[in-house]
Amino acid sequence: EPEVTQTPSHQVTQMGQEVILRCVPISNHLYFYWYRQILGQKVEFLVSFYNNEISEKSEIFDDQFSVERPDGSNFTLKIRSTKLEDSAMYFCASTGDRNTGELFFGEGSRLTVL
Amino acid sequence: GENVEQHPSTLSVQEGDSAVIKCTYSDSASNYFPWYKQELGKRPQLIIDIRSNVGEKKDQRIAVTLNKTAKHFSLHITETQPEDSAVYFCSLPQAGTALIFGKGTTLSVSS
Repeated sequence: EPEVTQTPSHQVTQMGQEVILRCVPISNHLYFYWYRQILGQKVEFLVSFYNNEISEKSEIFDDQFSVERPDGSNFTLKIRSTKLEDSAMYFCASTGDRNTGELFFGEGSRLTVL
Repeated sequence: GENVEQHPSTLSVQEGDSAVIKCTYSDSASNYFPWYKQELGKRPQLIIDIRSNVGEKKDQRIAVTLNKTAKHFSLHITETQPEDSAVYFCSLPQAGTALIFGKGTTLSVSS
């Protein structure tokens, strides 16, 4: 069964460093998302991406964040200068139907900022 | 933007009992209401969803009910089992395409 894959599974970084989280969405999906989940809290929407551009973003997704689809398969989230409060699990997700389709999540990338 | 309130935040039941989790929302234009289950340390996964043209949907021990007039939808789990223990999130699309999630309900089923 096709699934969303994410790398790395865990990354530890120093405050102020840049981090890139990578995702490979399901191959025939067209809508891609990044969500964040701080430990023990809810899943928070960061950004959605369609047709090579951002379609929506939340208040969390400030200038420190960027997304890119550098080739036909990868979808990346970059955090330019990490802060302690960026420590969280970051989930990539994709769907083939943006309005009423199931959102398929990757296993997540745990980011720890020291 | 859209907001979704979920209650209760924690729910403890005995094996075999029923569990009900409720979410309320504000945007009357919402038409898709999925529920996700997240086991400890795992990704969220869709367990059931309902569209606004029906009031109830069942899948074995799981059911979802929707009351569009009152703007709430509920997850019902009957004959709970220990493997039902997880965090359950209601969700719905916000103004654009992305799903937003409730704060989650931690369900604990003790045997």
